[in-house]
Amino acid sequence: DVKVTQSSRYLVKRTGEKVFLECVQDMDHENMFWYRQDPGLGLRLIYFSYDVKMKEKGDIPEGYSVSREKKERFSLILESASTNQTSMYLCASSFSPTGEAFFGQGTRLTVV
Amino acid sequence: SQQGEEDPQALSIQEGENATMNCSYKTSINNLQWYRQNSGRGLVHLILIRSNEREKHSGRLRVTLDTSKKSSSLLITASRAADTASYFCATDRKAGTALIFGKGTTLSVSS
Repeated sequence: DVKVTQSSRYLVKRTGEKVFLECVQDMDHENMFWYRQDPGLGLRLIYFSYDVKMKEKGDIPEGYSVSREKKERFSLILESASTNQTSMYLCASSFSPTGEAFFGQGTRLTVV
Repeated sequence: SQQGEEDPQALSIQEGENATMNCSYKTSINNLQWYRQNSGRGLVHLILIRSNEREKHSGRLRVTLDTSKKSSSLLITASRAADTASYFCATDRKAGTALIFGKGTTLSVSS
């Protein structure tokens, strides 16, 4: 069974902390994505990667960075967490950039 | 930038009825996909329709695509309470780089 696993379902962090959200896929997909989901705004693309060590900015990259050192792992980093980054974060992977995407279960991050 | 926009935002029906939700998009696409999200969970892929296809079926799902109107519809026939979820359409962001999603339609099916 194909799987995308996010390291935490729920996370509470303090303002100013550096936060790491981890995502691992076991499908040997080259393409991986990070989205955030907020009520009334839907899913918005933060960053994506089409190969190891490659990254591209999505529509809302400000305040975030990413790391992809291995094919199966794509990390989202909040350099200095702020309350407006409280959100649901969704990781996905796919064989082709706009093909069927497989999602993790999501990480609900609260910044206090 | 959000390419697809679903309509309606929310839909409430009784079990056994059909549910129809629509998606409109702005620029040309290679394919259009529909996803489902149960409350607080990740998205699950339902169906993909290519730009040269007009209609596609999968079980109780029927998807149509009208590229001249830049719109798609998802029909769920004989709805069940378990179909209660949010449904999203997804299209190419630009030049085949990534998927972008609409804001979704929340479907509630009561028994």
